[in-house]
Amino acid sequence: GAGVSQTPSNKVTEKGKYVELRCDPISGHTALYWYRQSLGQGPEFLIYFQGTGAADDSGLPNDRFFAVRPEGSVSTLKIQRTERGDSAVYLCASSAGTAANYGYTFGSGTRLTVV
Amino acid sequence: AQRVTQPEKLLSVFKGAPVELKCNYSYSGSPELFWYVQYSRQRLQLLLRHISRESIKGFTADLNKGETSFHLKKPFAQEEDSAMYYCALSGHLSGTYKYIFGTGTRLKVLA
Repeated sequence: GAGVSQTPSNKVTEKGKYVELRCDPISGHTALYWYRQSLGQGPEFLIYFQGTGAADDSGLPNDRFFAVRPEGSVSTLKIQRTERGDSAVYLCASSAGTAANYGYTFGSGTRLTVV
Repeated sequence: AQRVTQPEKLLSVFKGAPVELKCNYSYSGSPELFWYVQYSRQRLQLLLRHISRESIKGFTADLNKGETSFHLKKPFAQEEDSAMYYCALSGHLSGTYKYIFGTGTRLKVLA
């Protein structure tokens, strides 16, 4: 696609429920990143994919969070047993190469609200 | 520890005045520094990278390794520069080129 697409743009869910957030990166971009942005903060790294594999998942806060990218394109961030503290904007970004050389292209984010 | 500090949450300047958005970093290796901007109701987008030494929309930023700073500057602010600005650091951190972002500075350019 022309840009990084994230769906849904907004998600309201009840505490304890399961949610899936989708990211469709720019076609051909091998690197895909998930970030989380809480109110008043900068984006915080969650996980990085190079192709199909999670090359770095050190930013996932706990085992309720999981992400996949089975075919090396679309990625899904999955959150189990949601908590109110999970409320944030979840950002996806893709890059043709290393961030140092190319920078990221960000999606518009999914605003998750856990009530 | 790797860290990016943007000490100002809000910076207000009058149109035509010079602007400097401060960014300091802590990194043990050789960092790559970036500025990202988010205009109202738009997505986060790359403004400039230190390795390209470019000027975008009149903004420049110089990496000062001695002072570990990467301040963003523009000689004459325009109203359309009003936005949220994030400084970001990248490097081969734990084997991946992930970013560490600062908390951001909101720039308001007053008419």
